[in-house]
Amino acid sequence: KAGVTQTPRYLIKTRGQQVTLSCSPISGHRSVSWYQQTPGQGLQFLFEYFSETQRNKGNFPGRFSGRQFSNSRSEMNVSTLELGDSALYLCASSFAGGNEKLFFGSGTQLSVL
Amino acid sequence: GENVEQHPSTLSVQEGDSAVIKCTYSDSASNYFPWYKQELGKRPQLIIDIRSNVGEKKDQRIAVTLNKTAKHFSLHITETQPEDSAVYFCAASMDSSYKLIFGSGTRLLVRP
Repeated sequence: KAGVTQTPRYLIKTRGQQVTLSCSPISGHRSVSWYQQTPGQGLQFLFEYFSETQRNKGNFPGRFSGRQFSNSRSEMNVSTLELGDSALYLCASSFAGGNEKLFFGSGTQLSVL
Repeated sequence: GENVEQHPSTLSVQEGDSAVIKCTYSDSASNYFPWYKQELGKRPQLIIDIRSNVGEKKDQRIAVTLNKTAKHFSLHITETQPEDSAVYFCAASMDSSYKLIFGSGTRLLVRP
């Protein structure tokens, strides 16, 4: 069974640009959540999707958005990039979300110059 | 708001010794407490979890304890091995929140 797949693995952007990150969950998993990992802040929750519906959102500005498709694949978008958006963005999937084991992808390392 | 504090931030032990990492959560409605291990350059992986109706859970050399009254939980690793070296994250969540609140992580170094 393939694990959680995130693309691309690395991204370099400049301030003001926008970026789209992709996540394919484990087959059969319908919940996808996103986390931002930085050395100073640890893992911060961005949002969670289930059956194309966002069920929760973290404390991030509106520049951060996401969506989920009918095949459970998910994308997140960051518009008007800032230097502080440089981080590892991790996607995680599970069967139904809630209090269950999360399976993380390898992440997308975003660098904003 | 919701918060999880984790201590210590770094921990160095001799191979074979025990390691203990402690976390405190703020929201009394939290009822699920997983621990994730992240090796250098790798993805976080669940190593053990505990729910609020249980006080202790063991899995070989790893154990987690929960004190709901004090709102803290701990990870215990016995007979540490060099491959235990990693960053460990505690987390907390509650039913229907669909999110984990993570601690800031503990970097564990096991010296051979």
